[in-house]
Amino acid sequence: EDQVTQSPEALRLQEGESSSLNCSYTVSGLRGLFWYRQDPGKGPEFLFTLYSAGEEKEKERLKATLTKKESFLHITAPKPEDSATYLCAVPGSGNTPLVFGKGTRLSVIA
Amino acid sequence: DSGVTQTPKHLITATGQRVTLRCSPRSGDLSVYWYQQSLDQGLQFLIQYYNGEERAKGNILERFSAQQFPDLHSELNLSSLELGDSALYFCASSSGARGNEQFFGPGTRLTVL
Repeated sequence: EDQVTQSPEALRLQEGESSSLNCSYTVSGLRGLFWYRQDPGKGPEFLFTLYSAGEEKEKERLKATLTKKESFLHITAPKPEDSATYLCAVPGSGNTPLVFGKGTRLSVIA
Repeated sequence: DSGVTQTPKHLITATGQRVTLRCSPRSGDLSVYWYQQSLDQGLQFLIQYYNGEERAKGNILERFSAQQFPDLHSELNLSSLELGDSALYFCASSSGARGNEQFFGPGTRLTVL
């Protein structure tokens, strides 16, 4: 069964305190890994797509990396406006479009 | 702004009723996806349409149905509503049939009383 597991479930950081979020997956034949940001009550906002091990993508204070079994979202010197739930997803087997993890709820305190 | 629009933003109705949620995809996108997100739950995939045809089915209840019209907009119909159907319903769109980035709309918040 396709599974996406994100850890930690929740993370509380002080402003400027860098950290990483983890996304591990079990799916045969990875065809991309997607990161999204979701604010409360809003639709997920697309951040990155990674396709192959060793690939990295950056956007402002966020950097996503990919290995053969997991992905990391590194947050450097976060600000309160980075507070959100971060979701990762992978295409499922068969015709399943995307399988989402439950997300990491990030809180950045000033 | 993702370019995906959903109406209405909020819907309050009673148990046993039927509602219709509407979604317009980004210009040029052929796939539309529907998701349900309950409190403290992850995004649950319901169904996908690609260019008017059903492409994939997830955990969609028999009381729920959807369709995609020739102009590519989609509707999700929820009937015989129960309290447990209260949730955020998101529509997403992508250019291809699978493996592409999905862009999400702002969602419809459904409250069943």
